[in-house]
Amino acid sequence: GNSVTQMEGPVTLSEEAFLTINCTYTATGYPSLFWYVQYPGEGLQLLLKATKADDKGSNKGFEATYRKETTSFHLEKGSVQVSDSAVYFCALSDRRGSNYKLTFGKGTLLTVNP
Amino acid sequence: NAGVTQTPKFQVLKTGQSMTLQCAQDMNHEYMSWYRQDPGMGLRLIHYSVGAGITDQGEVPNGYNVSRSTTEDFPLRLLSAAPSQTSVYFCASSSLAGILNEQFFGPGTRLTVL
Repeated sequence: GNSVTQMEGPVTLSEEAFLTINCTYTATGYPSLFWYVQYPGEGLQLLLKATKADDKGSNKGFEATYRKETTSFHLEKGSVQVSDSAVYFCALSDRRGSNYKLTFGKGTLLTVNP
Repeated sequence: NAGVTQTPKFQVLKTGQSMTLQCAQDMNHEYMSWYRQDPGMGLRLIHYSVGAGITDQGEVPNGYNVSRSTTEDFPLRLLSAAPSQTSVYFCASSSLAGILNEQFFGPGTRLTVL
């Protein structure tokens, strides 16, 4: 079955530091890949997505590239801010038959200190 | 446009009690789903629906029932609550045309079973 593995947290950085959160996946088809963000006390919001190999998703200074050869979708940001403190989830969606299941990683808590 | 709404925000139950978690969306989305979020486990799919009158089980369906009588509403029922069902519950929806693109999440219901 499908699975998503992302780096264990928590991750603590100083403001303006470089961020990488690793994500690798296992899927039998050609999934779409996502990063969702959950701010404290809120639901999940889509941060960025990529629907095919070599696509780069980007939003709010965050980027991730769909790498089929390494089955990875690592999240990066060049200069984090305190407001980026949140839990980040890597996920994949693989439509087969009538199963539209979205498979999530376990989440990575990011704390950015001023 | 309210998006995905969930009620209640918080609930405390005693073991054996029953209750219904409400979820509604005003985006005319065909696909709706329920997830539970537990520390260190990410989000796990409980049940999902691809349209009115159609529901199916996800990864962790035991102890939960769902029905989909309208496009807008997708309630989750706990018939006899157990402490293992203490969790944060999220409802999500998506257009079937966009199922490989984005799911929209509600703000969550935090449930404690004593």
